[in-house]
Amino acid sequence: DGGITQSPKYLFRKEGQNVTLSCEQNLNHDAMYWYRQDPGQGLRLIYYSQIVNDFQKGDIAEGYSVSREKKESFPLTVTSAQKNPTAFYLCATTGSSERGALNTGELFFGEGSRLTVL
Amino acid sequence: GENVEQHPSTLSVQEGDSAVIKCTYSDSASNYFPWYKQELGKGPQLIIDIRSNVGEKKDQRIAVTLNKTAKHFSLHITETQPEDSAVYFCAASKTSGGYQKVTFGTGTKLQVIP
Repeated sequence: DGGITQSPKYLFRKEGQNVTLSCEQNLNHDAMYWYRQDPGQGLRLIYYSQIVNDFQKGDIAEGYSVSREKKESFPLTVTSAQKNPTAFYLCATTGSSERGALNTGELFFGEGSRLTVL
Repeated sequence: GENVEQHPSTLSVQEGDSAVIKCTYSDSASNYFPWYKQELGKGPQLIIDIRSNVGEKKDQRIAVTLNKTAKHFSLHITETQPEDSAVYFCAASKTSGGYQKVTFGTGTKLQVIP
């Protein structure tokens, strides 16, 4: 079944701890994104990656880090430097699975990870 | 940068009535306008989209209109059903440096009352 898997679904963290959220996709998409969602706000871009071993900061990258060692995986680390980490985190992809096919621009989202700092 | 405003933030309608959600954008370079539906505790899912060379698009009970001159676009849901209850996000998007630069609205929580 093709899709995006995020884990864990729920995560609790003590202040001062780093945590890593997992995002795995089997859609064969090139681009991957991390968004943060807060109540009453739109989705805000944290980091994105267009290809393996390359990633770029989004609008709210401070306090976060990522890696892209494999096409299928784009983990997000929420560091202790992130002042307000409690949020719902969404991983997404775009791209065509077929060589030469048009990338429609549609974002495909995982089911999200809810991080709560205690 | 791009700024997308979305109204209303909450919307309650009776089952069978229509619902309309409106968005405005600021960047004339945006050329792709998707709408996403997010159910509780889940990731958003694309329900309809429109490109800047089209003024209107319809898919069964859902339609989207785009006015490029005024920089606004709207989502119309007719004959609403309880399963339409969710949060809806509009977005404005453009290709920038090879990736899809997407700016989201703040969302509309739609409640369909049976």
